[in-house]
Formats: sequence, C-alpha cells, structure tokens
Amino acid sequence: DAMVIQNPRYQVTQFGKPVTLSCSQTLNHNVMYWYQQKSSQAPKLLFHYYDKDFNNEADTPDNFQSRRPNTSFCFLDIRSPGLGDAAMYLCATVANRSNQPQHFGDGTRLSIL
Amino acid sequence: GNSVTQMEGPVTLSEEAFLTINCTYTATGYPSLFWYVQYPGEGLQLLLKATKADDKGSNKGFEATYRKETTSFHLEKGSVQVSDSAVYFCALSRNTGGFKTIFGAGTRLFVKA
Repeated sequence: DAMVIQNPRYQVTQFGKPVTLSCSQTLNHNVMYWYQQKSSQAPKLLFHYYDKDFNNEADTPDNFQSRRPNTSFCFLDIRSPGLGDAAMYLCATVANRSNQPQHFGDGTRLSIL
Repeated sequence: GNSVTQMEGPVTLSEEAFLTINCTYTATGYPSLFWYVQYPGEGLQLLLKATKADDKGSNKGFEATYRKETTSFHLEKGSVQVSDSAVYFCALSRNTGGFKTIFGAGTRLFVKA
C-alpha cells in the first residue's frame, strides 16, 4: 500500500545533541510537510516543500532545519534540541492540489534527556 | 484570516450514545472541509471530507454536512463504540495558494463500555 513512513517511531536524544528524523513516501506527492504536535494539540506546521521549493513558517525556530533530497524522502534536523522540543513530529504529504486531504505518517515521538 | 473552531473536550460518552462534535470555520472563498481522527500513538487519519456546500461526508458511521450558511461542519455518529475513543480534528484547506491546512484544536472523545 502507498503510504507515508516515519522512522524511527521513538527517538531519545540528549539535550543539545543533534538529531535527525526521517520520512519517506510512496505516494509520489509533490508536497511534504513537517509538523510538531504536543499533547494531542493541533499539529503546528514547521515547514513544507513543494517539490524542492522550501517554505519555512515565520515562527519556526532556526534550530529546526529540513532537507528533501528527492521526491520520496524528507528529513527534519534539530541542531541543538532543548527540553521544549520534546514532542511528536508528524510528516504529511498531499498531491498537487491544495484542497486535497493530507496523508500522515504515524509520527516520531522525540524525548530529550 | 482562515480559522477553525471546534468544541472543547474531553467529551465522555457511554457506548451506543449519540455523538456531536461542533465545528465552525472562517474562510474566504470555498474551502474544503475535513475531519481527521488520531488514535493514541498514531498520526492523523482522514475520517471524512466535503468539498462544496451541502456536501455530506460519511465514513464508518460518522457524518458531517458542509453548511455554508452557518459556516459549520459538525461531526455526528448515531451510536459510538469504545473503539471510537480518539482525538478528532476539524480542518479546512483552500483551493488556492499556500498548500496549508488549518486545524482546529482537537476534541478528545472517551467512550465508556
């Protein structure tokens, strides 16, 4: 089945130690998103790619970076994680038209020691 | 700007009770409307959608009707089950620009046996 896959499901890192989360998709969708979600609140959009065009949200901290080497893969890099960055990170994709529903992965739960 | 307001939770119901979760929206133009569901430890899944006024989306016994006159998209189910316990998010996306989805704050549903 076509899907969005996030690895790992659980990630533990130390305060200040860089960490990378990954997302892959078999849907061949143009648009990929990274969200941060805390305590079942609404997902907060960090950034999105339309093909290789990167779109950062104005309030996304500089600590968060992203890479999309090809259509299928997208990475979230947190350069110096703080305790406040502990959260669920969700990847999602959508086909070209913006009024279509997004397809989400199961998320990576990040813990900071 | 665009926004989504949904009723605060948690909502606690007994099995076989009737469910309503209210959702209203503010948007210019003609957005598409969605309900997503998030089960514990998982990503968001599309539950149902409606793309134009008076459309009714339905899935797994859940229904919601796109009401443009009241800018609402209330979620209903006639008889809930314990397995429906989850967080429900109302959301909208617009046909033009941005490739962004606006999410409501989420409503947690607990169903007791």
